[in-house]
Amino acid sequence: GAGVSQSPRYKVAKRGQDVALRCDPISGHVSLFWYQQALGQGPEFLTYFQNEAQLDKSGLPSDRFFAERPEGSVSTLKIQRTQQEDSAVYLCASSLEWAGDNQPQHFGDGTRLSIL
Amino acid sequence: RKEVEQDPGPFNVPEGATVAFNCTYSNSASQSFFWYRQDCRKEPKLLMSVYSSGNEDGRFTAQLNRASQYISLLIRDSKLSDSATYLCVVNPSGGYQKVTFGIGTKLQVIP
Repeated sequence: GAGVSQSPRYKVAKRGQDVALRCDPISGHVSLFWYQQALGQGPEFLTYFQNEAQLDKSGLPSDRFFAERPEGSVSTLKIQRTQQEDSAVYLCASSLEWAGDNQPQHFGDGTRLSIL
Repeated sequence: RKEVEQDPGPFNVPEGATVAFNCTYSNSASQSFFWYRQDCRKEPKLLMSVYSSGNEDGRFTAQLNRASQYISLLIRDSKLSDSATYLCVVNPSGGYQKVTFGIGTKLQVIP
C-alpha cells in the first residue's frame, strides 16, 4: 500500500509569503503528526491530530503556523508571513492508533522549505 | 538537560566492526522507545522498537536500562549500507505517541 505522501517535495518562497504544505497519511491511520527538522538536528514535534481533532499544538513555534485536518485524512500545514528561520524540512508522520505502546510512526519524504 | 540526548558522532568504523550507540532520556516515566534510521536527505524510518527485555533483529540488538535511563543500539558485522544517522526516539508520557527525537548519531562505515 501507499506510504505517507507529502507535497511539494521542495518549496522556495520569499520572506513574507504564505506557504501551504500537504500531507496524505497512510489510509486508515488515525494519528497524524507534523515535525520540523533543521539541518543537523532531530525532528522537533509541531502538532498532533487524532482523526480531525488537533489534540496538541504545543510545538508550533508561533501563531504564524497553522495546521488542519478537516476530514480526518489529508492535513495541511500553513505558514503565514514566512521568515528565514522557517527554512527546514517539514515531516509528516502517521500511525495506526491513537494510543498504545510501541506504535511506530511512518514518515513521509518531507517538504524541504527554503525561505529567501 | 535535554529530554533525549545522543552523541552526534560521527562514528567512523571499518566494515565488519561492531559498534554501539547509547541514548539517555530524562523522564523516568517514559513508556516506549524506538530506534529510527535516517539516510542523508531522506525521511526517518523505523529500525526497531526497544522492549524492556531487550530485542534483536538480525545484526541489530536494542536494549533498555530503566534504572540508568538509557537505551542502546548494537550493530554487529557493520556493512557499508549501515552508514546513516541513527535517531533515538522516546515517548515521554505514554498515551498518544508524542515522541521526542534525539539529535541522532551519525555512523560512517568505511571499506
